[in-house]
Amino acid sequence: GAGVSQSPRYKVAKRGQDVALRCDPISGHVSLFWYQQALGQGPEFLTYFQNEAQLDKSGLPSDRFFAERPEGSVSTLKIQRTQQEDSAVYLCASSTEGGTGPYEQYFGPGTRLTVT
Amino acid sequence: DQQVKQNSPSLSVQEGRISILNCDYTNSMFDYFLWYKKYPAEGPTFLISISSIKDKNEDGRFTVFLNKSAKHLSLHIVPSQPGDSAVYFCAAQAAGNKLTFGGGTRVLVKP
Repeated sequence: GAGVSQSPRYKVAKRGQDVALRCDPISGHVSLFWYQQALGQGPEFLTYFQNEAQLDKSGLPSDRFFAERPEGSVSTLKIQRTQQEDSAVYLCASSTEGGTGPYEQYFGPGTRLTVT
Repeated sequence: DQQVKQNSPSLSVQEGRISILNCDYTNSMFDYFLWYKKYPAEGPTFLISISSIKDKNEDGRFTVFLNKSAKHLSLHIVPSQPGDSAVYFCAAQAAGNKLTFGGGTRVLVKP
């Protein structure tokens, strides 16, 4: 079946603009995660949903970052008033189960955000 | 405070030889460890995993070893193939949910 998809694949934003990044998880996957990957580094956790409930948002770097998953499938990561330090690849991942793991996570291709 | 570290940023190996990638962690609450492989412009792809109750897991050419007392794990790829050239990430989970990643090791397999 289809994997995790993300759109857009590339986004260039001027500093101060708002952006919205979309993630379509694998159908039926309960858990959805967002990660941020800066150049030359490993991905870093941002937030986690189990169905429509946002159970962990401890990794969101500031209140400019907001994520939602209103119907328990598609998720949107919104960044308000973008700053240059927000430039990174934003990865979405989903997994079959909810609750405590362990469960493999399946990643989308990412959205590369460049803030100029 | 990096809880998962991959101290070798790059590794070059001849085709057919063994590739050994290392990973160290500090959080003793981690109970599941995963290796991901990443090609440019693609998301990480799951490769192999190991539970903290085991010390070895093997899948084809890939074997992961876990030394809990040393808080160290390694990934062995044998024999290495040119298609294995990619960035490899070690990741860890505590009680499920979010992954904590290392910084990655870039592997180049020379024909």
